[in-house]
Amino acid sequence: QSVLTQPPSVSGAPGQRVTVSCTGSSSNLGSGYDVHWYQQLPGTAPELLIYANTNRPSGVPDRFSGSKSGTSASLAITGLQAEDEADYYCQSYDSSRSGWVFGGGTTLTVL
Amino acid sequence: EVQLLESGGGLVQPGGSLRLSCAASGFTFSSYAMTWVRQAPGKGLEWVSGISGSGTTYYADSVKGRFTISRDNSKNTLYLQMNRLRGEDTAVYYCAKCGYDNVWGSSADYWGQGTLVTVSS
Repeated sequence: QSVLTQPPSVSGAPGQRVTVSCTGSSSNLGSGYDVHWYQQLPGTAPELLIYANTNRPSGVPDRFSGSKSGTSASLAITGLQAEDEADYYCQSYDSSRSGWVFGGGTTLTVL
Repeated sequence: EVQLLESGGGLVQPGGSLRLSCAASGFTFSSYAMTWVRQAPGKGLEWVSGISGSGTTYYADSVKGRFTISRDNSKNTLYLQMNRLRGEDTAVYYCAKCGYDNVWGSSADYWGQGTLVTVSS
């Protein structure tokens, strides 16, 4: 059971918009710690997708966006493409554990 | 270009030890925190340990007292000494660079390709 809660799967047709939720608690997101998002394509290492709630690293398309409010965060992907099929993970810091915590991951399927 | 190259993985018996290394290049190693994240076969990501540029260390409860993270800033290398290994430690271990010189506020902005550790008799 992960400290951050994500839906196991989401899906959408090409061109559509999907969102991935990440729910935490008062010891992580609710304490103001940033949330970060990673994309893991099949058989590869994770890559940073969104950092500090809303920021995209250089090279990440603006189809990807992040938001955070209270103990929840969301990743939105617009204009879905087949290449977006991947696992997505949220991550933050948890003060009660003095370390990082990850969500369980969400598998995105492009129909 | 940032590069992280892990080594040292392999097959080890339960109760055994292994030391992972991560050779870093393309950035000022001593100025950034570093971290280890693992992924068991078919499972999600699990944070293992982190270390600031000056050597402050952090551990997940699941490895505390068994694993030791360290770094040699003169060699641009990160280490993970793993002792008393268990079957549940079987995973791909990723080395990652943090975005800042602290673990608590950072993301992992660059990742290595990972090294597989298998704990089995």
